[in-house]
Amino acid sequence: KAGVTQTPRYLIKTRGQQVTLSCSPISGHRSVSWYQQTPGQGLQFLFEYFSETQRNKGNFPGRFSGRQFSNSRSEMNVSTLELGDSALYLCASRPQQGELFFGEGSRLTVL
Amino acid sequence: QQPVQSPQAVILREGEDAVINCSSSKALYSVHWYRQKHGEAPIFLMILLKGGEQKGHDKISASFNEKKQQSSLYLTASQLSYSGTYFCGTDKSGGSYIPTFGRGTSLIVHP
Repeated sequence: KAGVTQTPRYLIKTRGQQVTLSCSPISGHRSVSWYQQTPGQGLQFLFEYFSETQRNKGNFPGRFSGRQFSNSRSEMNVSTLELGDSALYLCASRPQQGELFFGEGSRLTVL
Repeated sequence: QQPVQSPQAVILREGEDAVINCSSSKALYSVHWYRQKHGEAPIFLMILLKGGEQKGHDKISASFNEKKQQSSLYLTASQLSYSGTYFCGTDKSGGSYIPTFGRGTSLIVHP
């Protein structure tokens, strides 16, 4: 079974730009969640989608948004990038609840 | 509010034991444990759902004291492969279903 796939793995953007990250979950998993990982804050929950509906949302500004498609693939978008958005963005999938299967992440650097 | 992990870092020699603690100010209904090696995706170790439950995985086990809102991860006779950052997390605490994680404990095992 293929694991969770995230693209791109690395990207560099400048302040004010926007970025879209993609996540392909494990086949059959309907829940996809996104996390921001930084050395200072650890893993911070962004949002979770289940069957194309946002199920939960973390405490991040509206510049962070996401969506899920009918094939369970998910995208997250960050608009008007700030330096503080530099982080590893992890996506995780699971059938419904329980164990999270993480992808290797997309490392975003904002200059 | 993030669960609080202690210690922040542990340095061991092969064969030694370690304990990593995780506590929450909110009522915990489940505790997850993950390990992340540098540059890799976090991987699931175990989930504990009931108060006082202990689970094991090879020489890694964990306990969950629901009343004290605490969980501990026990690494016995540590191996070099145990090196990494260990995270505890929960997807239900208090009345919230927001997944939250501790900031992680860095474990280094030397030969």
